Amino acid sequence: EVQLVESGGGLIQTGGSLRLSCAASGFTVSNKYMNWVRQAPGKGLEWVSIIFSGGSTYYADSVKGRFTISTESSGNTLYLQMNSLRAEDTAVYYCARGKWGSRWFDPWGQGTLVTVSS
Amino acid sequence: DIQMTQSPSSVSASVGDSVTITCRASQNISTWLAWYQQKPGKAPRLLIFAASNLQSGVPSRFSGTGSGTDFTLTISSLQPEDFATYYCQQANSFPHTFGQGTKLEIK
Repeated sequence: EVQLVESGGGLIQTGGSLRLSCAASGFTVSNKYMNWVRQAPGKGLEWVSIIFSGGSTYYADSVKGRFTISTESSGNTLYLQMNSLRAEDTAVYYCARGKWGSRWFDPWGQGTLVTVSS
Repeated sequence: DIQMTQSPSSVSASVGDSVTITCRASQNISTWLAWYQQKPGKAPRLLIFAASNLQSGVPSRFSGTGSGTDFTLTISSLQPEDFATYYCQQANSFPHTFGQGTKLEIK
């Protein structure tokens, strides 16, 4: 069964750093296109970043230069390193596998909440 | 960036009704469109991809149409478990943007 489980969220001060993890099972992370999507409290969905199976990465302008997406083959895990965190980064962060390459998001993890506060 | 606009923002309906949600893209996205369902406190679930393709395991009462800039999601014969928020998403170009969501409520 394909499954994604996020961890690493929590309360962090403005300007701080946090690393989110997404443990995958049922498939190999490095062979797929993997995404991070976030949802601010009570708001809609915002795509954050993608890592292609070849290692190329893309970021939303809102996080470019502050966030880094990566994978670790040994642990079959996707990561999101978040630096210089701002209040507007407060959200539930979901990892999601790409379907049809990078086009669609399926399946999704359960999400991990990141709260950035001064 | 491509802007995705859904309408209505919310809709009330009864079990057994049919409901249609629309999504408009700010530029031509061919059929690079997906629909997701999200229930409170849960992750989104892919329903429809490539505008009209039903994801495996999704009931056939869900259907999608459209191409270019205008798309629709229709749910026929609403069931209690269908009351949720629905999002469209374009996959024509990065960043992959979502609509603002349509909340389907029980009348």
